[in-house]
Amino acid sequence: GAVVSQHPSRVICKSGTSVKIECRSLDFQATTMFWYRQFPKQSLMLMATSNEGSKATYEQGVEKDKFLINHASLTLSTLTVTSAHPEDSSFYICSAREGGANTEAFFGQGTRLTVV
Amino acid sequence: QQPVQSPQAVILREGEDAVINCSSSKALYSVHWYRQKHGEAPVFLMILLKGGEQKGHDKISASFNEKKQQSSLYLTASQLSYSGTYFCGSNNDMRFGAGTRLTVKP
Repeated sequence: GAVVSQHPSRVICKSGTSVKIECRSLDFQATTMFWYRQFPKQSLMLMATSNEGSKATYEQGVEKDKFLINHASLTLSTLTVTSAHPEDSSFYICSAREGGANTEAFFGQGTRLTVV
Repeated sequence: QQPVQSPQAVILREGEDAVINCSSSKALYSVHWYRQKHGEAPVFLMILLKGGEQKGHDKISASFNEKKQQSSLYLTASQLSYSGTYFCGSNNDMRFGAGTRLTVKP
């Protein structure tokens, strides 16, 4: 299957700092990328959907100024957690797909963010 | 609105069968199934596009009802490697159900 690479896999940062997470599609052009947050033993909560070259569409309750998403190219999307707080600590996962709703999406390996 | 999955959890002995259900209050464009092992990314299992469709590979198969509001994942003769959390999702908006934690014991 197609490969989506997410980096870093783990990051620890201090409260008040910002952290950037990258999501790359390695062997296909990702017209749409999705960002999720997952708490332990819970489901994947969709945070936002981004299409290349467009502003991301955020889910209700997700602060767009806190979770900055950029999808500048067909192979790269970034999620920046700004002014991180301990409650932002979580597992963040991206997924990407090449086509529309009739095509499969592939997930990155996830990023474990710990804010201290 | 995310799909509703049931059961929340199931424990099996190796070789037993299981069914995981996924339902939606409105017709889905398509439904997809993923399996996630602890600490790993979800892995794609299959996608169903048409009402009445059934598909599968190996001993894992799925169906999508005619109204496209209900899908089931069938795991037959379960293996230890089937353990994980299974998610169904609506492929048009990429929202997932709460997940079903499947544990297969020897």
